[in-house]
Amino acid sequence: AQSVTQLDSHVSVSEGTPVLLRCNYSSSYSPSLFWYVQHPNKGLQLLLKYTSAATLVKGINGFEAEFKKSETSFHLTKPSAHMSDAAEYFCVVIPYGGSQGNLIFGKGTKLSVKP
Amino acid sequence: GAGVSQSPSNKVTEKGKDVELRCDPISGHTALYWYRQSLGQGLEFLIYFQGNSAPDKSGLPSDRFSAERTGGSVSTLTIQRTQQEDSAVYLCASRMDRSSGNTIYFGEGSWLTVV
Repeated sequence: AQSVTQLDSHVSVSEGTPVLLRCNYSSSYSPSLFWYVQHPNKGLQLLLKYTSAATLVKGINGFEAEFKKSETSFHLTKPSAHMSDAAEYFCVVIPYGGSQGNLIFGKGTKLSVKP
Repeated sequence: GAGVSQSPSNKVTEKGKDVELRCDPISGHTALYWYRQSLGQGLEFLIYFQGNSAPDKSGLPSDRFSAERTGGSVSTLTIQRTQQEDSAVYLCASRMDRSSGNTIYFGEGSWLTVV
């Protein structure tokens, strides 16, 4: 069965330090992978997506993610955290083929940024 | 429209009343999704539409919940005889079609409080 696992429910970093939010997926074929960010009391905004082109994907606000097929991972990184990055982040997998009605969401990682 | 539009943005209702939540997807998007997000929780899939049909209703939590989509555009999620546990944010999303690489666009959500 296809699934997505966000390994940390909560990550806390200091402003100016790197951010790493981990996402692993399980899929029979190469999926499409997305990261979304949700700021408090807001909807979900697309950060970046992977759709079988370059494995290193650059997104908005300095975030990037690398698709590693051998590790079935799509971790989100940022070199230097900013206070405005404090939010919840969701990794989403869209399986190739089959039923695509049900997008597969991770449970989310809440990022806190300390001054 | 420019983005996914949801209304009302906020709704407070008395227990036992019916509520209707509306979603206006991006023009031309054939795939439409409803999710529920309870306080501090991840996203719970409710229902998926492809055009006007709903091939996946597996997430509707009870028969008090129903949804329809007309003209391949606007969708309405109806909750009958609301209960306090229905209090949540109801998020709508749309995609161009089911192709795996297509981005999912979210609305800002309808915040429902049942008192």
